[in-house]
Amino acid sequence: DQQVKQNSPSLSVQEGRISILNCDYTNSMFDYFLWYKKYPAEGPTFLISISSIKDKNEDGRFTVFLNKSAKHLSLHIVPSQPGDSAVYFCAASGNYKYIFGTGTRLKVLA
Amino acid sequence: DAGVIQSPRHEVTEMGQEVTLRCKPISGHNSLFWYRQTMMRGLELLIYFNNNVPIDDSGMPEDRFSAKMPNASFSTLKIQPSEPRDSAVYFCASSPTSNLGTQYFGPGTRLTVL
Repeated sequence: DQQVKQNSPSLSVQEGRISILNCDYTNSMFDYFLWYKKYPAEGPTFLISISSIKDKNEDGRFTVFLNKSAKHLSLHIVPSQPGDSAVYFCAASGNYKYIFGTGTRLKVLA
Repeated sequence: DAGVIQSPRHEVTEMGQEVTLRCKPISGHNSLFWYRQTMMRGLELLIYFNNNVPIDDSGMPEDRFSAKMPNASFSTLKIQPSEPRDSAVYFCASSPTSNLGTQYFGPGTRLTVL
């Protein structure tokens, strides 16, 4: 039972354009959501997070949107840069659970 | 700060052998997590500790897997006996809080069981 889903395994975007990565969850007990970025041969690194009491959080080029009614969150990267090419994981936590999605590989084309 | 330290970085072993993965969390962090990453299932949480006490081990695949945290600066994940399907990258992460917030990951151990 995949409680956190990233349905797009990969995404290609032109440099300078917007990248939108999506994540869906099924468990209403989740109250905190995070995005991590992972480069090859490295561990994931924290990118941005959002609490369930908010619907948007912004940090520089990165914005996370949360739609609780749809149980959906998304990460927007504007403008996309070649250095953003990596695997992005969303994660959801709550009720002593911490669950990651399967990841989306983003490729930003120069 | 050295970050989360994992050893070894790579491990190749034969089926049936015992494997021990090691982790040193960031000093001062009171939560520690073990994950397994595979292509099919992504990042799976195996177990996490808070203040050295196991809180949730429901992700541990079976009795062949065990984890310990004898003190705040060291944890081990042991597989005995190992099987080819255990081949994966195993990550350790630590967090300064117990409320399942931001985690800081180590570089991972790539395990290959032949």
